[in-house]
Order: sequence, then C-alpha cells, then structure tokens
Amino acid sequence: AQTVTQSQPEMSVQEAETVTLSCTYDTSESDYYLFWYKQPPSRQMILVIRQEAYKQQNATENRFSVNFQKAAKSFSLKISDSQLGDAAMYFCAYRAVDVTGNQFYFGTGTSLTVIP
Amino acid sequence: DTEVTQTPKHLVMGMTNKKSLKCEQHMGHRAMYWYKQKAKKPPELMFVYSYEKLSINESVPSRFSPECPNSSLLNLHLHALQPEDSALYLCASSQRTGRAGELFFGEGSRLTVL
Repeated sequence: AQTVTQSQPEMSVQEAETVTLSCTYDTSESDYYLFWYKQPPSRQMILVIRQEAYKQQNATENRFSVNFQKAAKSFSLKISDSQLGDAAMYFCAYRAVDVTGNQFYFGTGTSLTVIP
Repeated sequence: DTEVTQTPKHLVMGMTNKKSLKCEQHMGHRAMYWYKQKAKKPPELMFVYSYEKLSINESVPSRFSPECPNSSLLNLHLHALQPEDSALYLCASSQRTGRAGELFFGEGSRLTVL
C-alpha cells in the first residue's frame, strides 16, 4: 500500500518569511497525483496545489510552490511571503491514476503557525 | 458550482438515537467519499461510492450505514453510536478516474455523541 509521510508535526514561520513543509511517499506506480491540502482551524479543507507525476515542471500557485523530486519520492511545499491566514494544518496526499484510483492516501499533517 | 454541501453542520445525539448526515454535490463527480476526522489528525477513509455503488468500505462498524440515492447525494445513517464516534465527518467528491484528480471537501458535520 502507498504511504505518505510528513515528518514535521509542527512548524512556525515569521510573517513575510518563507517556510518549507516536507512530504515523502512510497509507491511502485509511475503515474499518480500529489496534493497539498490546507485546513484552517474549524474550517474547510481546501486544495492548495497539485502535481501530476508525469509532469517534470514543479507546480506553482501564487505564493505556493512545490519541489517535486520523483526519484527521491519527495514532494515539499514552499510558502513564500507567509501571511497570518496561512496558519493551518497542511496535509500531503497521494492518488494513483488508474481505474482503481479512488483511494487517496494522506500524511499525518503539519501544523503551521505564523508569527506576527 | 464547485461546492460540496453537508448538513447538518453540528449534531448532538445520544447513544440510542438514529440520525443521518447528508451530502450533496452538483459537479458531476461520480465518486463520493465519507471520511472521519479527529482533531489535528488526517481524514480517515470510511466509505467510497463510485457510480452510486459502494466500492470501498474500510471495515467501518455497522452502526454507520452509507447510502447513495443518486449521483449527487450521499447519506450516512447513524445508529447506536458510541462516544468515541464523536468527530468531524467529512464528505468529499472527485471525478471517477482520469486526469482531474483532486478531492473536493465539504465543510463537515461535527458530531457529538453523549
């Protein structure tokens, strides 16, 4: 079974600074999706960014970017110019791209604190 | 419309009650999910429906009973729950297969079992 590992249970960053959240995964598949989801306290889980494994270019969404290292099975999230609204739980997730790909595998999450 | 709507947002029930959680999406997604989430933990998969058929049941106790009446609706029927079942229950949907991929989550139903 696929596993997703987030080794940083908690992280903190000063407002306006940059922080990187780590994620590694284990799979024997060659084609899959990776995601970062954000869940603010008592609020809805929303997609931050996604990466398709067959694309070599790292995904970016405004202040959020990923460093996707397929061979190393690493998928880190960089948040630039951190804002107070970035404080949340961040979950890394994996999904296979095949007919059985209804299963999403989540990491244990990283709680990000933004210090004013 | 990119929303997944869950009702009720909050539910308090006794261990002998019967209640239901409801979920609706109008994005044409053919896969719908129930997750259970405890505070500061990742979502735990409970059930997956694919084309209105139950495709994954993660060994969930029978006091939780899912139902998918049509492609837009998903219910979770609750009966004789235990206090440890208190949690946030998340509904989500995704395209069935192919290169779209992500889960869309509802806001959740926060369940307290007394």
